[in-house]
Amino acid sequence: GEDVEQSLFLSVREGDSSVINCTYTDSSSTYLYWYKQEPGAGLQLLTYIFSNMDMKQDQRLTVLLNKKDKHLSLRIADTQTGDSAIYFCAEIADNYGQNFVFGPGTRLSVLP
Amino acid sequence: ETGVTQSPTHLIKTRGQQVTLRCSSQSGHNTVSWYQQALGQGPQFIFQYYREEENGRGNFPPRFSGLQFPNYSSELNVNALELDDSALYLCASSSGTHQETQYFGPGTRLLVL
Repeated sequence: GEDVEQSLFLSVREGDSSVINCTYTDSSSTYLYWYKQEPGAGLQLLTYIFSNMDMKQDQRLTVLLNKKDKHLSLRIADTQTGDSAIYFCAEIADNYGQNFVFGPGTRLSVLP
Repeated sequence: ETGVTQSPTHLIKTRGQQVTLRCSSQSGHNTVSWYQQALGQGPQFIFQYYREEENGRGNFPPRFSGLQFPNYSSELNVNALELDDSALYLCASSSGTHQETQYFGPGTRLLVL
């Protein structure tokens, strides 16, 4: 079945860049997503990329997609303490019914 | 703030009881999806409702059921609660014409004792 994997933890210094990686298995995925979850809160959609693109930039966020290797990454430039959260990678594995498959989440800690 | 609201925010039940969770979708959205997020894990898709009908279901038993109303708000019902049902339950709404984006509510945290 569909599977999304992420490393569980990442720690960076304030002002550095963070790179969060994700691998997925469903080659038919049409969209891939990054969501952010702060403690005690729901999921906030950060950005998404259509599968025929290989890069998308949105202010401090850059998404890179390597469809051949089924690898997705999220780069956060100039990471701030407010970026500390859990970041989830997700794919639509079945476009009928929008079955989102989420990874386990990467906990980003930003050190002052 | 996504405009998706859920109630209640927290709930404590005992094993064997039944629970109903509610979700109001963002204005203009006619599709609601429900997810279960166990502690330390990513959300797992339960089911989706589109225009009051179930439109896809994940790997959850029939004791998880739902409804969508004419105003597109939705309920998730769980019967015969088990300890493992303790989780954050998230609903997400989207528009039938923009199905690639889902906006999540803050969730209902359910504890089953």
